[in-house]
Amino acid sequence: KQEVTQIPAALSVPEGENLVLNCSFTDSAIYNLQWFRQDPGKGLTSLLLIQSSQREQTSGRLNASLDKSSGRSTLYIAASQPGDSATYLCAVSNQAGTALIFGKGTTLSVSS
Amino acid sequence: DAGVTQSPTHLIKTRGQQVTLRCSPKSGHDTVSWYQQALGQGPQFIFQYYEEEERQRGNFPDRFSGHQFPNYSSELNVNALLLGDSALYLCASSFWEAGNTIYFGEGSWLTVV
Repeated sequence: KQEVTQIPAALSVPEGENLVLNCSFTDSAIYNLQWFRQDPGKGLTSLLLIQSSQREQTSGRLNASLDKSSGRSTLYIAASQPGDSATYLCAVSNQAGTALIFGKGTTLSVSS
Repeated sequence: DAGVTQSPTHLIKTRGQQVTLRCSPKSGHDTVSWYQQALGQGPQFIFQYYEEEERQRGNFPDRFSGHQFPNYSSELNVNALLLGDSALYLCASSFWEAGNTIYFGEGSWLTVV
């Protein structure tokens, strides 16, 4: 049974700092991995999608890496801003179009 | 282009009652999935609908049922509500053939008292 773990559960950093969020999964036979952002009480916004054959994806100040063999992914946020404060969720899919399995998320707080 | 829309946004129900939540997928999407997110937890998959049929189901009891209409919109029904059903219910839509890009709605907050 696939399980997804995110560490740390919460993180507080000053504005401008670079940071890394971690995600691990127990079954390396994934189809893809996605990182989402969730603002308090809101829905999810997809940030980055990495196919199982890819090693990383970049969007602006965000960079996500994937190491399937070790069951790990990292989300790197450069030059953090207060607007980055949110919960970041990692999710894996074991087959195309199938259910996403989520971690519990990392709640990020960036202070100005 | 409207994204995924859900209704109602908030509702309060009494234990034992029944509730229906609604979802309209993003334009062009034909697949709808429902997730339950309890406070402080990640979303958990309930079920997925495509071509008006339930295609996958997560580990949820039969009290949770759904439906997809010919226009691809969907309903989630929960019978005999329990206090533990209090959560944010998220609808997600995608294109079956693509299988990758998924869009979430803002969710419906259900409180059971």
